[in-house]
Amino acid sequence: SAVISQKPSRDICQRGTSLTIQCQVDSQVTMMFWYRQQPGQSLTLIATANQGSEATYESGFVIDKFPISRPNLTFSTLTVSNMSPEDSSIYLCSVGKGTGEKLFFGSGTQLSVL
Amino acid sequence: GQSLEQPSEVTAVEGAIVQINCTYQTSGFYGLSWYQQHDGGAPTFLSYNALDGLEETGRFSSFLSRSDSYGYLLLQELQMKDSASYFCAAAWNRDDKIIFGKGTRLHILP
Repeated sequence: SAVISQKPSRDICQRGTSLTIQCQVDSQVTMMFWYRQQPGQSLTLIATANQGSEATYESGFVIDKFPISRPNLTFSTLTVSNMSPEDSSIYLCSVGKGTGEKLFFGSGTQLSVL
Repeated sequence: GQSLEQPSEVTAVEGAIVQINCTYQTSGFYGLSWYQQHDGGAPTFLSYNALDGLEETGRFSSFLSRSDSYGYLLLQELQMKDSASYFCAAAWNRDDKIIFGKGTRLHILP
């Protein structure tokens, strides 16, 4: 298993500002994933964060808007840049065990943009 | 493309059995997993199938049929605390990327 600490748990931000979300894992993991979840909706993968290389972004998500850092095997950050109300959502970091087998999730960051 | 289909809502009675189905795109499919998410909480892993057949974990079981591109989650002896959203999720092409279905909201009646 993996214990994931994610912060902040929630924030209210002004339009045009940026927020950085931190994700700390209690063990070394190769791949970390960032998801977004709108209220009552499914989880949408934003990007895969690999240590030592640039993150791999899914269709519809770009590095300028969602820059990701992965400085070591236990830590990652996701920044939501130049925010608009459409960015209001829950952002979740997760780590995987095995190939497509199991994901462990952080508690999420609930972001509201005014 | 990579996609999964599951019912948006299911309603069942406390103490009963309920089955939540999931169909998926076949090409490159690697394995099917299930997650539970309570309101305000993060998803938690329930079960995983890489091979055809049934996997049992307590009151929860999961089934996979690769030939039918189909799987299901079976919940037995339903309790009120099982009221939650349930997501099927899958990986394709061994690239470790996991895609989620739209989720099934399970309502349990007393």
